[in-house]
Amino acid sequence: DVKVTQSSRYLVKRTGEKVFLECVQDMDHENMFWYRQDPGLGLRLIYFSYDVKMKEKGDIPEGYSVSREKKERFSLILESASTNQTSMYLCASSLQAQERTDTQYFGPGTRLTVL
Amino acid sequence: GQNIDQPTEMTATEGAIVQINCTYQTSGFNGLFWYQQHAGEAPTFLSYNVLDGLEEKGRFSSFLSRSKGYSYLLLKELQMKDSASYLCAVLDSNYQLIWGAGTKLIIKP
Repeated sequence: DVKVTQSSRYLVKRTGEKVFLECVQDMDHENMFWYRQDPGLGLRLIYFSYDVKMKEKGDIPEGYSVSREKKERFSLILESASTNQTSMYLCASSLQAQERTDTQYFGPGTRLTVL
Repeated sequence: GQNIDQPTEMTATEGAIVQINCTYQTSGFNGLFWYQQHAGEAPTFLSYNVLDGLEEKGRFSSFLSRSKGYSYLLLKELQMKDSASYLCAVLDSNYQLIWGAGTKLIIKP
């Protein structure tokens, strides 16, 4: 079974703090994704990565950055957290860069609250 | 713009059948996914359709009509554990997944 884990289920931070969200997958997947999920909206892609040290902007990259130093780990960074970044953050991975239609497997999510 | 529409909420009775519709307008099409998401949990894969027609997988079936930009997820013999949100997502011409907001399905005894 594919396992995608995220460092925290719940996180509370203050405005202006730097926030790190970690995601690890154990199935040697090449693609990794960060989404945010808000009520009434579909999942929105923040960033994705199809290889180590590679990253691509998604639909809403502003206020976020990412890091992928190792294949299994994809980090999302909020340089200076703001209240409008309060959301559920979901990490996902999929198998092969060439197989673009491959299924995405999701982590349990991190519910971030910025006060 | 790109758009995925699905009903916000549906209610059904245990043991019955329910159909959750999804219509889409995207720049290109490379397949449509359905995911299930229980409250507070991660979405999990249910089905993938890229050709027209019905794909059956146990109690769940998914249908696609590319000419109509339409799909539905059919759930039979509903069980209480089927209470969840059902997410429709389309792969566009750039192989980006466009997500619908999800349909919350409430099952009543």
